[in-house]
Amino acid sequence: KNEVEQSPQNLTAQEGEFITINCSYSVGISALHWLQQHPGGGIVSLFMLSSGKKKHGRLIATINIQEKHSSLHITASHPRDSAVYICAVRAFGNEKLTFGTGTRLTIIP
Amino acid sequence: DVKVTQSSRYLVKRTGEKVFLECVQDMDHENMFWYRQDPGLGLRLIYFSYDVKMKEKGDIPEGYSVSREKKERFSLILESASTNQTSMYLCAISPAGAHDEQFFGPGTRLTVL
Repeated sequence: KNEVEQSPQNLTAQEGEFITINCSYSVGISALHWLQQHPGGGIVSLFMLSSGKKKHGRLIATINIQEKHSSLHITASHPRDSAVYICAVRAFGNEKLTFGTGTRLTIIP
Repeated sequence: DVKVTQSSRYLVKRTGEKVFLECVQDMDHENMFWYRQDPGLGLRLIYFSYDVKMKEKGDIPEGYSVSREKKERFSLILESASTNQTSMYLCAISPAGAHDEQFFGPGTRLTVL
């Protein structure tokens, strides 16, 4: 079993829909990251959080430390949001990240 | 803006060749990482370095070595490339400490024939 599990693996939605991507992990962590990877490979960090909730534009990330679960939400989704979204966790005292396998999101106009 | 550059976006090599992948940063960050990314497996750590001439094995170091002679440059070496090393290779950097985000390079898609 992977330490970091994401769901769904693939998600297709219509433009304007509210999107939720989930991440569950099995170890104690000091931080959780949400990353975005567009076709072509480049990875961009969206959020780093260790508690509560963060918001940036139409993106919202939440984390529940007790339940070892995080969600990434996209409001008013747009075709340019189409990408792979990756969850990664940093275990306590560790400089390394452990990654989920990603969620491929496709937004149809 | 953070800049992490990788020497090639696409690379094609033959089995048995020695392959060098270079990563250069302009942020003076201590930590540098090499990952490979394969479908269904996510990013897996090959090696990382937390200072010049320092290196640590990641989760899948077999078949790879690294070199960090200068702070800004971290090289990944495939001594004798094999077809199972065909993959996307990503370099990342972060400042020292366990509480900072990583910044990624654009990736090198390596094909070994």
